[in-house]
Order: sequence, then structure tokens, then C-alpha cells
Amino acid sequence: QITLKESGPTLVKPTQTLTLTCTFSGFSLSSTGVGVGWIRQPPGKALEWLALIYWNDDKRYSPSLKSRLTITKDTSKNQVVLTLTNMDPVDTATYYCAHSISWNSQFDPWGQGTLVTVSS
Amino acid sequence: QSALTQPASVSGSPGQSITISCTGTNSDVGSYNLVSWYQQHPGKAPKLMIYEDSKRPSGVSNRFSGSKSGNTASLTISGLQAEDEADYYCCSYAGTSHWMFGGGTKLTVL
Repeated sequence: QITLKESGPTLVKPTQTLTLTCTFSGFSLSSTGVGVGWIRQPPGKALEWLALIYWNDDKRYSPSLKSRLTITKDTSKNQVVLTLTNMDPVDTATYYCAHSISWNSQFDPWGQGTLVTVSS
Repeated sequence: QSALTQPASVSGSPGQSITISCTGTNSDVGSYNLVSWYQQHPGKAPKLMIYEDSKRPSGVSNRFSGSKSGNTASLTISGLQAEDEADYYCCSYAGTSHWMFGGGTKLTVL
């Protein structure tokens, strides 16, 4: 059974850097084709894809946020870390991580999500 | 790049069928057989319902089906049930190594 869980701060101040960790089980990020992605959802709004990292360290980023995002993995710890710099109140959202079974494939399953609020 | 276009809301009575559309462009929906659909109940994480345009994951009811024509993908739910009331999102691989979600559709079961 594949499970993922997001962790990180619930509150950050404007201009700070957000660091979120996705800890997973039930699969290995060293298996060919496998990836972990991040998706966020502002309160009451739609989902927005942010980034994805593959087993071979290939990284993909949302074009609109690429300059602010970094995604890394620690295969030995079964973790994927997302950083988002220069946080703004519009970045307030629930952040989800999700498993991707192969190149360009769907996201399944998802973690429970973690709500991050940006406020001074 | 803009999100994929979905109707804001659809509704139907129990037992009826409804269809949710998802319109993209020939750079995303129309170029790849990689549209997926997600169901999200309030306060919950999204759940995969359809992948690769029309494939259904194990455990998902066969009342859910997906299709695509040109730049528009569709999710059809037949035999509508109260538990189907949720938000639904489409997602497409958009080339150049990124993905796009639709704006979401709120399904109300009357």
C-alpha cells in the first residue's frame, strides 16, 4: 500500500522560504519511472501543479513558479522536499504530494495535504 | 498558461447521468492521451477516478467513464448517487514537462 504524508510549517511570514517534506512508504524512488509530485490548492480554489521529481533525479517545474521552486529527493529516507522562496499571501494553500507511477503519468495516490498560511 | 476549462457546476438527480467537460488546446489535451480525472470531497485529498483519457483504476466504480474528442475530454457518471456529490478536476500533461489542472466542477446531486 502506497502512502504519502506532507509535513512542514503551518504559518510562514511574507518573503520567507517555505520548506515542505513529503515522507512516503510502499514504493521506492529508485525504481525506474517512479516520481513524486507536488500540487497545491488555495482555499476554495482549484488545484495547481507545482513540481515533480523522478527516480533518476529528473526535475520538472511549473513554468509560472519555476524561479521560486526547488524539488529534491532523499531516496534513503523515502522523502521528497519542496522549497518555495519569497512567500506571499497568495501562496496560502493546502500543499499535497502525490505518487506518479511512470513518465508523464497520473497522480495516485495523494497525501492528506498540509495547509500553509502566509501572514505577518 | 491558462488552466483547462471546466464548467463551474453541474447537477443531476439520483439515477441520472451527467457529463463534465474539460477543454484544452492542441498543445495539451489534444496532443496526448494523458488526461486524468480526480474526485475531491470537502476537506479531503483528491482521488484518481480516470487516467490516460479513459482508463479506470482498480476499485473505481464502472459508473465512471472517460472519453476524449479533439481538445475536449469528458467525464461521465452514470446512475448518479448521493456519494458522487463532490468537486471534480481534470488534469492533462501539457508537454514541455509540465501538467495543467482544470478549474474544477462542483457536482450537486439533487
